[in-house]
Amino acid sequence: GAGVSQSPSNKVTEKGKDVELRCDPISGHTALYWYRQSLGQGLEFLIYFQGNSAPDKSGLPSDRFSAERTGGSVSTLTIQRTQQEDSAVYLCASSYQGSGNSPLHFGNGTRLTVT
Amino acid sequence: AQSVTQPDIHITVSEGASLELRCNYSYGATPYLFWYVQSPGQGLQLLLKYFSGDTLVQGIKGFEAEFKRSQSSFNLRKPSVHWSDAAEYFCAVAPREAGTALIFGKGTTLSVSS
Repeated sequence: GAGVSQSPSNKVTEKGKDVELRCDPISGHTALYWYRQSLGQGLEFLIYFQGNSAPDKSGLPSDRFSAERTGGSVSTLTIQRTQQEDSAVYLCASSYQGSGNSPLHFGNGTRLTVT
Repeated sequence: AQSVTQPDIHITVSEGASLELRCNYSYGATPYLFWYVQSPGQGLQLLLKYFSGDTLVQGIKGFEAEFKRSQSSFNLRKPSVHWSDAAEYFCAVAPREAGTALIFGKGTTLSVSS
């Protein structure tokens, strides 16, 4: 497709379970970003990939969160032992170069609900 | 650390009235500046961006923004608001160094009354 694709669009999970969220960036985009959007908190940066490496993972809130990117394309965000405070919309974005003047293109997000 | 402040959490404007959404940033050097819009149930869409040059930039949907270095501001404006402009608006900054991520403000929710 032409845009950033995220799956699933909605995920409901029980507290303590692990979840995997997937992002397919725009073809040819070398940079990939994960953000978390909670009500009233705006967009919280989680991690940034340039190619398959992550030069900035400073936003990951705890060691329960991890992400990887393979083949310079698809990325997976994994949350282990989910907690209720992990409930949020997780947004993925990609950009052509990963420099500051390369605009981000966002997916529609995965809404995660931890019960 | 760099930060972005959107002082107004929620604004209501009458249809046809003018709009200004405020954005202030804190950063050592002039960053790249962006405004994004998120309509209900939709992803974020880039409205406009400022990199350099003319400090008044035009975007899509009739929006414009003015960069004021002395005030570290990048306010978004529209002369006449339409009901379809009701959405959440995010200001964002990106440092000019490569390899750093876009930092977003907490957003301003715009409601449009008839």
